[in-house]
Amino acid sequence: AQTVTQSQPEMSVQEAETVTLSCTYDTSESNYYLFWYKQPPSRQMILVIRQEAYKQQNATENRFSVNFQKAAKSFSLKISDSQLGDTAMYFCAFMKHGGRDDKIIFGKGTRLHILP
Amino acid sequence: DTEVTQTPKHLVMGMTNKKSLKCEQHMGHRAMYWYKQKAKKPPELMFVYSYEKLSINESVPSRFSPECPNSSLLNLHLHALQPEDSALYLCASSQGLAGVESQYFGPGTRLTVL
Repeated sequence: AQTVTQSQPEMSVQEAETVTLSCTYDTSESNYYLFWYKQPPSRQMILVIRQEAYKQQNATENRFSVNFQKAAKSFSLKISDSQLGDTAMYFCAFMKHGGRDDKIIFGKGTRLHILP
Repeated sequence: DTEVTQTPKHLVMGMTNKKSLKCEQHMGHRAMYWYKQKAKKPPELMFVYSYEKLSINESVPSRFSPECPNSSLLNLHLHALQPEDSALYLCASSQGLAGVESQYFGPGTRLTVL
């Protein structure tokens, strides 16, 4: 069975700083997807960034980038130039590739506070 | 249109009531999902409707009943709920094919059971 672990329940950083959220996972699969989702106080889940396991290049999306270490089963999220609107719960998630039912397994989340 | 819509946004119901939550997507996705999320916890998968087949998380009680009238609609019928069922109910959809895309989430329905 796959598991996703986020070891930082809560973090706070000053606005404009860079912050890194940690995520590790465990799987015997070789093909899979990894995601970071953001859930602000409004509670809607928003996809931040996606990484295909077969791609060696780390995914980036504007101020958001990942450090994907497949051998170490690590998938951290870096937020550069953090903004007040980045305050949210961040979930790391895993999904097996090729299944007919695309079930996502979520970590427990990291609550991120961006301080003015 | 990359939206998943959910109605209502908020729902308060008594334990004897029957109500329904509605979810709709117009992205041509073939899989739709219901999740339950308690405060400060990750979403828990309840049901998956994919390729016209319903998959149920065995831990979900029978007082929750999904219905898929067509490929873009997924309802969740509620009956005789308990106060511990109060939560945010999230709907999501995905392409549903091998080599799949991400799941896209709706804004959720905040349910309170009195």
